[in-house]
Amino acid sequence: GAVVSQHPSRVICKSGTSVKIECRSLDFQATTMFWYRQFPKQSLMLMATSNEGSKATYEQGVEKDKFLINHASLTLSTLTVTSAHPEDSSFYICSAPHAGRASTDTQYFGPGTRLTVL
Amino acid sequence: GENVEQHPSTLSVQEGDSAVIKCTYSDSASNYFPWYKQELGKGPQLIIDIRSNVGEKKDQRIAVTLNKTAKHFSLHITETQPEDSAVYFCAAVLANAGNMLTFGGGTRLMVKP
Repeated sequence: GAVVSQHPSRVICKSGTSVKIECRSLDFQATTMFWYRQFPKQSLMLMATSNEGSKATYEQGVEKDKFLINHASLTLSTLTVTSAHPEDSSFYICSAPHAGRASTDTQYFGPGTRLTVL
Repeated sequence: GENVEQHPSTLSVQEGDSAVIKCTYSDSASNYFPWYKQELGKGPQLIIDIRSNVGEKKDQRIAVTLNKTAKHFSLHITETQPEDSAVYFCAAVLANAGNMLTFGGGTRLMVKP
């Protein structure tokens, strides 16, 4: 299957600082990537859709000025959590669809990034 | 939009027994149904998927069934092993919706040795 990587795998930062998380599709190109956050014992919540060459699409309730998304190339999307606060502590996961023979692409997920804001 | 419900939220089975997880979806336009396994501290891994033109798909100990009329789909794991213990998520994708997944709430499966 296709491989999606994330970096860093975990990060601890002080309140008020910004943190950048990278999501890369290693062996395929992705014009679209998705960013999720997951709280303990809960399902994945879609935050935004990252689009190569255009602005990201944010889900209702997600602050676009706080969670900056840049789809820099066909294999890289970044999520920057600006002015992080303890309530931003969560598990952030990205995914990328990989084109197959069927009409709907299969989504492959990265390993996730554990963000802890002190 | 699509809504996916998943049951049960937790499931405990004895090693060697079968486990069944059920999901329902609301929008008949959904045409792709993947299942993901998530181990603690890791990202979800695709374990099996089914498309709306198929009623059943099997891969070794794992099978998925789809009932389009009832808008149900289920994951079946036979001969469970302790390493099957994880959280399992079902999802649905609406046709022409840009590959966006709608997840169920997840099922925590515990396989007791």
